Amino acid sequence: ELKVEQNPLFLSMQEGKNYTIYCNYSTTSDRLYWYRQDPGKSLESLFVLLSNGAVKQEGRLMASLDTKARLSTLHITAAVHDLSATYFCAAADGTASKLTFGTGTRLQVTL
Amino acid sequence: GAVVSQHPSWVICKSGTSVKIECRSLDFQATTMFWYRQFPKQSLMLMATSNEGSKATYEQGVEKDKFLINHASLTLSTLTVTSAHPEDSSFYICSGRRGPSTDTQYFGPGTRLTVL
Repeated sequence: ELKVEQNPLFLSMQEGKNYTIYCNYSTTSDRLYWYRQDPGKSLESLFVLLSNGAVKQEGRLMASLDTKARLSTLHITAAVHDLSATYFCAAADGTASKLTFGTGTRLQVTL
Repeated sequence: GAVVSQHPSWVICKSGTSVKIECRSLDFQATTMFWYRQFPKQSLMLMATSNEGSKATYEQGVEKDKFLINHASLTLSTLTVTSAHPEDSSFYICSGRRGPSTDTQYFGPGTRLTVL
């Protein structure tokens, strides 16, 4: 059974600072997704990582995938208040193509 | 492209009644649709996977007789919560997938169910 863990669960950071959210998964998966969720809203797709060593960047967010370590990271550069949200990673089950979601990281960027 | 809608966006019902939630793919054909449940401050938990024209596959611990899923067409899936109880109050999110060769899912806006 595929299990996905994120840490930290909660992150409070000041504007302008950098930080990384980690996503570990338990069994082989070479497709990793990152989503953002605002309070009371559904998921917004951020990144799809499809191979080992994949790196994608959009604005102040950069995601990477290391399939050998079973680890994906979401790096936040020079955080701004608008990035405050909950971030989820999800790994795809290779056979059933289901997504297993991580525990989520609630990010709070303070002024 | 790849827009999924849900209706209603929120619903309040009395305990013991049934509630139907619709999930539509507006600009693509979703051969597979997924239903998730999310409790406050928790992650998304997959409830069931439905393929058009066949019975849904439920995850362990999800009562199929309580959560009825119908995927009658390539653009519509419905989730009916039967005999709802307060513990069924949750945020229900559906997603659609174009076909078996991809696992990219497009998520609906969610339906907040409150059972009194």
